[in-house]
Amino acid sequence: EVQLVESGGGLVQPGRSLRLSCAASGFTFDDFAMHWVRQAPGKGLEWVSGISWNSGTIDYADSVKGRFTISRDNAKNSLYLQMNSLRVEDTALYFCTKELGYCASTTCYGFDYWGRGTLVTVSS
Amino acid sequence: DIQMTQFPSTLSASVGDRVTITCRASQDISSWLAWYQQKAGKAPRLLMYKASNLQSGVPSRFSGSGSGTEFTLTISSLQPDDFATYYCQQYNSHVTFGQGTRLEIK
Repeated sequence: EVQLVESGGGLVQPGRSLRLSCAASGFTFDDFAMHWVRQAPGKGLEWVSGISWNSGTIDYADSVKGRFTISRDNAKNSLYLQMNSLRVEDTALYFCTKELGYCASTTCYGFDYWGRGTLVTVSS
Repeated sequence: DIQMTQFPSTLSASVGDRVTITCRASQDISSWLAWYQQKAGKAPRLLMYKASNLQSGVPSRFSGSGSGTEFTLTISSLQPDDFATYYCQQYNSHVTFGQGTRLEIK
């Protein structure tokens, strides 16, 4: 059974940093691209960042470029999101998601498995 | 960046109805489009990929069509489990979601 379990969320002041983690199991992690998608309270989905299976291709939304860094450790079946210079508008539930099929870049089909999310609240 | 516009934003329908949700891209995205269903407090569920391919395990009452800039998701006969929010997603250039369509019971 595929499982994606996010951790690392919490309450943080504006300007500070936070590192999210996603532990993956139930599939061959290093075969698939992975992504972070967020959802602000009561709002829609916003893609944040994606990383190819071998970390060769990395992509960011304009809203986080230069502040967030995605990475993965295939030996540990883990995905990460380092979030620096956090803003109030970064407050959201952050989902870890898996690309459906093999993809040389970051997205070729869509996201077939999602974690339950970890909540990040940026507030003074 | 590619903008995705869904309409309607809210759709009221009854069990058994045929409903269609439309998604329009600000530029040509070929068939690089997916559809998701999200229920309150849950993670999204992939329904369709590459515009018209049904994801494994999704009921056949769901179908998708379109290419270029105009896409539709159709539910042929609404079931009680289908009342949820639906999102389109383009992945031709970066990734962008539509703003969502809330499907509610009439």
